[in-house]
Amino acid sequence: AQTVTQSQPEMSVQEAETVTLSCTYDTSESNYYLFWYKQPPSRQMILVIRQEAYKQQNATENRFSVNFQKAAKSFSLKISDSQLGDTAMYFCAFIGTSGSRLTFGEGTQLTVNP
Amino acid sequence: ETGVTQTPRHLVMGMTNKKSLKCEQHLGHNAMYWYKQSAKKPLELMFVYSLEERVENNSVPSRFSPECPNSSHLFLHLHTLQPEDSALYLCASSPRLNYGYTFGSGTRLTVV
Repeated sequence: AQTVTQSQPEMSVQEAETVTLSCTYDTSESNYYLFWYKQPPSRQMILVIRQEAYKQQNATENRFSVNFQKAAKSFSLKISDSQLGDTAMYFCAFIGTSGSRLTFGEGTQLTVNP
Repeated sequence: ETGVTQTPRHLVMGMTNKKSLKCEQHLGHNAMYWYKQSAKKPLELMFVYSLEERVENNSVPSRFSPECPNSSHLFLHLHTLQPEDSALYLCASSPRLNYGYTFGSGTRLTVV
């Protein structure tokens, strides 16, 4: 069974600064996908970034980038130039290519302070 | 809007009521999902449908009954719920199994 662990229940950052959210996972599969989702107070779960395990290059989407360490089973999210609108719950998620379910971590509540 | 629409946004129901949650996707996806999100708990997968067939039923009580009449629509029929069933119910879809999901905005359910 796959597990996803987010060890930081809450984090805060000043506007315009950089913050990194941690995620580790456990799996026996060799190929899989990893995701970061954002859930603001509006409740909408929004895909932030996606990483395919067979790609060594770290995914990047504008101010969001990941540090994917396959051997360490680590998948952290870096948010640069933090904005007030980045305040949300962030979920790390995993799905194996042989599976049918997306497994989520428990989430990290990020607050961006003005 | 993400292309996945859930109705209603909010629902309050008594324990003896019968109600249904609706999810509709306009993305041409082949898989649809129901998740339950309770306060201070991880998201719980409830049901998975692929090409209108249920492929996973994650030990969900029978008072929750899913229905997938076609690849664009997914329902969750509710009857004789308990107060602990109060939660945010999220619907999602994906192009196929083992791919990332697109979520709806959820239905906030309160059982009184």
